[in-house]
Amino acid sequence: DTGVSQDPRHKITKRGQNVTFRCDPISEHNRLYWYRQTLGQGPEFLTYFQNEAQLEKSRLLSDRFSAERPKGSFSTLEIQRTEQGDSAMYLCASSLRTVNSPLHFGNGTRLTVT
Amino acid sequence: DQQVKQNSPSLSVQEGRISILNCDYTNSMFDYFLWYKKYPAEGPTFLISISSIKDKNEDGRFTVFLNKSAKHLSLHIVPSQPGDSAVYFCAAQSNTGNQFYFGTGTSLTVIP
Repeated sequence: DTGVSQDPRHKITKRGQNVTFRCDPISEHNRLYWYRQTLGQGPEFLTYFQNEAQLEKSRLLSDRFSAERPKGSFSTLEIQRTEQGDSAMYLCASSLRTVNSPLHFGNGTRLTVT
Repeated sequence: DQQVKQNSPSLSVQEGRISILNCDYTNSMFDYFLWYKKYPAEGPTFLISISSIKDKNEDGRFTVFLNKSAKHLSLHIVPSQPGDSAVYFCAAQSNTGNQFYFGTGTSLTVIP
């Protein structure tokens, strides 16, 4: 169990640029979540995959955001035409499919939009 | 709408004493509750959980209590250690969905 891995750890980009983040979940976990966290707040749900199917998306997820999980393994989160308000920590988590299975988080990607 | 609330942004406790962190929720459909610990520049780490069929779950120095009628849960840490200093988040999951809802966190400082 190597834990949830996220890449990159930090990303600085200029407003209007596109960015893509990658998440590698714990290998036996078939559920994968993306959350966003800003200063002084708890993690906010963005989207959820079960295997390769994206089953739930938050209203927070504007059409500039897209997430994929091809083949039900790693996942990518892309933000197009970044805005300063997108600056946040983007957290990926995974869990087993069983009832009452906790989320296990990666260390996140900190995005700064200048 | 904040469905999970942690009303104390910070808490300071002397080493060796008990730390009690509190959490309230509004959604009666929540049936699984968790506590996470977060150090700066790291992701949240799972600590302990409880399902709604129980009112107490214990793991070493950590005990979570659930009061369903009051929609309240608490995390007790006994004895508190300086390494426990971190931000603690409570979270909840509904039996009708897959999303986890998080509180805004309580920053615990354990004073040596």
